[in-house]
Amino acid sequence: QPALTQSSSASASLGSSVKLTCTLSSGHSTYIIAWHQQQPGKAPRFLMKLEGSGTYNRGSGVPDRFSGSSSGTDRYLTISNLQSEDEADYYCETWDSYTRVFGTGTKVTVL
Amino acid sequence: EVQLLESAGGLVQPGGSLRVSCAASGFTFTTYAMSWVRQAPGKGLEWVSAISAPGFNTFYADSVKGRFTVSRDNSQNTLYLQMNSLRVEDTAVYYCARIGGSSNTDYWGQGSLVTVSS
Repeated sequence: QPALTQSSSASASLGSSVKLTCTLSSGHSTYIIAWHQQQPGKAPRFLMKLEGSGTYNRGSGVPDRFSGSSSGTDRYLTISNLQSEDEADYYCETWDSYTRVFGTGTKVTVL
Repeated sequence: EVQLLESAGGLVQPGGSLRVSCAASGFTFTTYAMSWVRQAPGKGLEWVSAISAPGFNTFYADSVKGRFTVSRDNSQNTLYLQMNSLRVEDTAVYYCARIGGSSNTDYWGQGSLVTVSS
């Protein structure tokens, strides 16, 4: 069963970029992950699926300001041209068959 | 448009039972696996349970195994979570979620608040 590690918080200025990291546990470098955004008081929203190769597929309606990349066991979410509505919690998810695992989430603050 | 609409949750005493449901629309429900994910107040997301598209296979987190039962009625496009022997630590918003064709969660419901308290 893989595990996911995320830093607890990140911040960046309006209009700048921020890069979030989700790290898979050792031995799980080939696992695909998904990124989800949860704005305050709302349900989570699927952002993208991200493979170990760095190939990513955004969900329906997700702006192209959101991009993904990978390196080894690290999976990244980059938010460019940061907007006020991007202030949210961001969770990564992976799975083993039907069983899923979520990271602890990163809170993004827009300065 | 994909929609997942959970039933209202509720307040239940420790040791009690509650069933939450999730009405699906906007996609062919019978061809997708589904899951339940919960979020305790101020905490992160925790996977609870999943069920295969036909409903023959079910999966549970260790924290709820033996107490919760997931099921689905494909004729009614509805997903269920029966929660028995509820504990204070089961207090959370319960989200219904679709497992997409690539196996990631790709749609979420709006959530159902379940409070376990005496």
